[in-house]
Amino acid sequence: SQQGEEDPQALSIQEGENATMNCSYKTSINNLQWYRQNSGRGLVHLILIRSNEREKHSGRLRVTLDTSKKSSSLLITASRAADTASYFCATGGKLTFGTGTRLTIIP
Amino acid sequence: SQTIHQWPATLVQPVGSPLSLECTVEGTSNPNLYWYRQAAGRGLQLLFYSVGIGQISSEVPQNLSASRPQDRQFILSSKKLLLSDSGFYLCASRVWETNEKLFFGSGTQLSVL
Repeated sequence: SQQGEEDPQALSIQEGENATMNCSYKTSINNLQWYRQNSGRGLVHLILIRSNEREKHSGRLRVTLDTSKKSSSLLITASRAADTASYFCATGGKLTFGTGTRLTIIP
Repeated sequence: SQTIHQWPATLVQPVGSPLSLECTVEGTSNPNLYWYRQAAGRGLQLLFYSVGIGQISSEVPQNLSASRPQDRQFILSSKKLLLSDSGFYLCASRVWETNEKLFFGSGTQLSVL
C-alpha cells in the first residue's frame, strides 16, 4: 500500500512563482525524502528530512515536516521552466512512494 | 557516487513471451537493490528488493520474479508476459550505512502487446 500521498496531483504556475506540494503519510517515520522525476526518466533524490527536524533548506528547496500531522511540504521558490517534473515523497525502510505531484512551470 | 545501469531503455514484447531486464550498479558494494514499476501517470510500486546475493523479497504477488546472482547485479524476469505487465520499470540502489537515499537507473519502458 502507498505510504505517502502527494497533494495536489497536478499544479501549473507561472515561471518565477513559488510552488508548494504536500505529502501525507500514515505511520511513524525515521525520515522523509523528496524525489523528482522528469518525464520518462528515473527519479532523482532532492532532499531528506529526519523525524527530529522541522525544516530543511537546499538551494531553492524548502522542506517542512510536521510529525504530529504526519505531513510534509516541499516549497520550490522562484520556479524555472526546468523545474517542470513530477515530485514524489517517500518514507519507510523500503521507501514507499506516493503517486506524485505533476508540476508544470509556464514560461 | 553510485551509477545504475539499466537496459534496454525500451522494449516491446508479445503476450506470452519471456522477459529479462538487467540492472547493474557501479561505485558501491553490498547495496540494497530494488525493482519498482510505474504505470503511466501513476506512482511507483515496489516489486522486489534484495539485501544481498540470492536474497529476494517480493512485495506484490505477480507474474514476475527477481534474482541477484552477483552483488551488483539485479535481474527482473518473467516466463510469460501478460498485458498487465506493461509499465515503466525502475531499478534502484541504496547503501544504507552511508546514505539513506535511493539512486535510480534510467528505466525500461515495457509494452506488452
